[in-house]
Amino acid sequence: GAVVSQHPSRVICKSGTSVKIECRSLDFQATTMFWYRQFPKQSLMLMATSNEGSKATYEQGVEKDKFLINHASLTLSTLTVTSAHPEDSSFYICSASRGWNSPLHFGNGTRLTVT
Amino acid sequence: QKEVEQNSGPLSVPEGAIASLNCTYSDRGSQSFFWYRQYSGKSPELIMSIYSNGDKEDGRFTAQLNKASQYVSLLIRDSQPSDSATYLCAVGERILTGGGNKLTFGTGTQLKVEL
Repeated sequence: GAVVSQHPSRVICKSGTSVKIECRSLDFQATTMFWYRQFPKQSLMLMATSNEGSKATYEQGVEKDKFLINHASLTLSTLTVTSAHPEDSSFYICSASRGWNSPLHFGNGTRLTVT
Repeated sequence: QKEVEQNSGPLSVPEGAIASLNCTYSDRGSQSFFWYRQYSGKSPELIMSIYSNGDKEDGRFTAQLNKASQYVSLLIRDSQPSDSATYLCAVGERILTGGGNKLTFGTGTQLKVEL
């Protein structure tokens, strides 16, 4: 079946530093990748949609200069949290899609803690 | 703004019983619907996808969709303690560039299957 790999699974960083999270589709070419964020006891909130070779589309309220997305190929998307602050501490989850009638498959998520 | 509503629960059912999870959505034009299971601290895992009115069965799970009522449900037969998790209903919006579905999630229903 479809597998989406996400790394790292957990990261602790100091306030002001940047953190890069990788998302790879392992056995299919993902036409689109999505980045979600989930705070404790809340549901998943879409941050941005990325397509290979084009700029990401950010949801309202998500700062594109803070959350940099690079979709380098049909199997790799990265999210960089720049100048992280404690309020950015969250569970970040990527997902990938083969196409319109294909369900999203999620990576295992990255637990980010900013101290 | 697209909305997906779920009862947060917890929904408690005895082992072996049928668990019924419900979801309503606001966008009448929605065409794809998904149920995900999420264990605490983990990323969502796809349970079922459904695209047309009626029932769709997969093992112990049955998804039901009624577009006229903007209602989608998930039935879990012979509930097991391992089914205890949060169940997320998601409604898809077709992405025109690159394909795929942008999902809007409900807040999830916590299911507890008791011995």
